[in-house]
Amino acid sequence: SQQGEEDPQALSIQEGENATMNCSYKTSINNLQWYRQNSGRGLVHLILIRSNEREKHSGRLRVTLDTSKKSSSLLITASRAADTASYFCATDAGGSEKLVFGKGTKLTVNP
Amino acid sequence: EADIYQTPRYLVIGTGKKITLECSQTMGHDKMYWYQQDPGMELHLIHYSYGVNSTEKGDLSSESTVSRIRTEHFPLTLESARPSHTSQYLCASSETRSGANVLTFGAGSRLTVL
Repeated sequence: SQQGEEDPQALSIQEGENATMNCSYKTSINNLQWYRQNSGRGLVHLILIRSNEREKHSGRLRVTLDTSKKSSSLLITASRAADTASYFCATDAGGSEKLVFGKGTKLTVNP
Repeated sequence: EADIYQTPRYLVIGTGKKITLECSQTMGHDKMYWYQQDPGMELHLIHYSYGVNSTEKGDLSSESTVSRIRTEHFPLTLESARPSHTSQYLCASSETRSGANVLTFGAGSRLTVL
């Protein structure tokens, strides 16, 4: 079964609003990563958070990690139309070097 | 510029044909991966390699095969394509960053088998 599950599956917001996506996973992890995929393209790494970290920032991105609930959230502040993409969380289940990806959240930012 | 390249980007072929999807990276990464992704769906790992002459099957069973004769090159081959092989195939390589495996992806090869 899939290690990571994103929620919601799809999200539509207006430019300037904040977008929050959630990821839940099943087994223990050493780190969790978020990736972005524009339509029909490969994925691009956004941010990594280690299991001993609770929050991390990178520009307009804020990631939180709650290992007790086995969940993470990605917040994009002041969204732009260019943020329209699918966002995936990826985990190294049990410290494996193979990343397992969730189903992704499709974000649409309307101008 | 360091990058990872996949060719072809799009391929439409008939059933029974043999195809090879090419993947090359210029970053000197030891680890390389092939993921399969249907439109709007999650990625499934089908093959990976941790170095030259090392290849392993991933979590999703696949009829494709891979080889790793050179560090920079990780081609995927389907001996006899079928419509069920229609999908997007994503190649990636990775480096260790802050103790974690961070992947760099190619743009993908979208395969359609008629």
